[in-house]
Order: sequence, then structure tokens, then C-alpha cells
Amino acid sequence: EAGVTQFPSHSVIEKGQTVTLRCDPISGHDNLYWYRRVMGKEIKFLLHFVKESKQDESGMPNNRFLAERTGGTYSTLKVQPAELEDSGVYFCASSQVGSGANVLTFGAGSRLTVL
Amino acid sequence: KQEVTQIPAALSVPEGENLVLNCSFTDSAIYNLQWFRQDPGKGLTSLLLIQSSQREQTSGRLNASLDKSSGRSTLYIAASQPGDSATYLCAVRQYSSASKIIFGSGTRLSIRP
Repeated sequence: EAGVTQFPSHSVIEKGQTVTLRCDPISGHDNLYWYRRVMGKEIKFLLHFVKESKQDESGMPNNRFLAERTGGTYSTLKVQPAELEDSGVYFCASSQVGSGANVLTFGAGSRLTVL
Repeated sequence: KQEVTQIPAALSVPEGENLVLNCSFTDSAIYNLQWFRQDPGKGLTSLLLIQSSQREQTSGRLNASLDKSSGRSTLYIAASQPGDSATYLCAVRQYSSASKIIFGSGTRLSIRP
């Protein structure tokens, strides 16, 4: 079974540019989460999708961040325009609904460097 | 507001030793607590999950305990091996916000051969 796949693994952009991160969850996992770890800080929750609907987006830092999950399969996280403080590692995780909801499978992360 | 703290931030021990990693949390109204492992450049791997009604969970050489009333959890690693070297993260999920997991900053463990 393929795991959670994230692309790109590393992106280097300049301040003001746009970056789009993609996450492909495990097939059949309706729950999809985005987390990020900025330098020296803890991993923090960004948002949670159930299928294509946003269940909780309380962790999104500001309106420069836009997450979508059209069709309830893969998800994208767009940062526009990127700022220096957006640098970090962005993790995606997925899980089943119901009794399997506790078991999150994380991707390897997308490292974003904003210069 | 829930805060999760892990001490120490880094730990280096010789191979074969038993060791304990500590995690504390400020709000005892948790749904569950998980210990994760992260290897460099890799994702997070769930090691053990303890439900709020449980006291401990075991998997191989790993044993995690939970004391909700004192806001503490420990991860015990027996007979450590170089392959155990990684960052270990403690995380809690709360009843009030089931969507999100709140992570500690992790303990970076190095096992010396």
C-alpha cells in the first residue's frame, strides 16, 4: 500500500513568489490534515479535511494560505505571496474515518525555504 | 490552552542502556496521547497510542505510560540500539478539538555504538 506522498520534497522560492504543495493521501482515507513545523518550533496543526470539506481550518495562519481538496482525493496548499516566516516543513497526514481515525499516517513533508 | 513539553531536548546514551523520555501537558482533558518517531527527511511514524482511559501501552522494547491527573507521559526504551536514534515526539488530542494533534517540540535521541 502506498503511503502519503508529498510533492515537492523541497522548494526554494523568493519572498513574494507563490508555491503550491501537494499531498496525495492513502487511497480511501477521507481525513486529510496539514501540519507545519517552522524553525525551532513545534509541529502545528493547519487544517483538516473530511473528503472535500474543511472540517477545521483554525490553524491556518492568514489568508495567504489556501488549501483545497477538490474531489476529496489529493490536496494542495498554496502560499501566495510567500513570506520569510513561512519557511519550514509542511506535513500532510491522512486517516480513515470512524475507528481508524486515530491512526494518522504522515508523509515525509515538503520543506519550504523562502529567501 | 494546551501546551506539550518534552524534556530533555536532546539525549545521547551508549548502546544497550535503558532510557526514559518525558512528556508533560498542561490540560488533562485529553482524548489520547501518541508517541511518534521522526527520522531525518522522513515522515512521522506512530509508535504508541494511549487512550485517555488507559495507563500504558507496550510494543516490543517500547513502553509508554500515561498519568492524566499529573499531566505526564513517559516513553521507556529498553536495551537501546543505534537504530533507535531519531527524534521522538509526544502529541495529544483533546476532546474539545478532535481535529488537531498538539505536538511537543521533541527529544532528539542519539544512541552511541
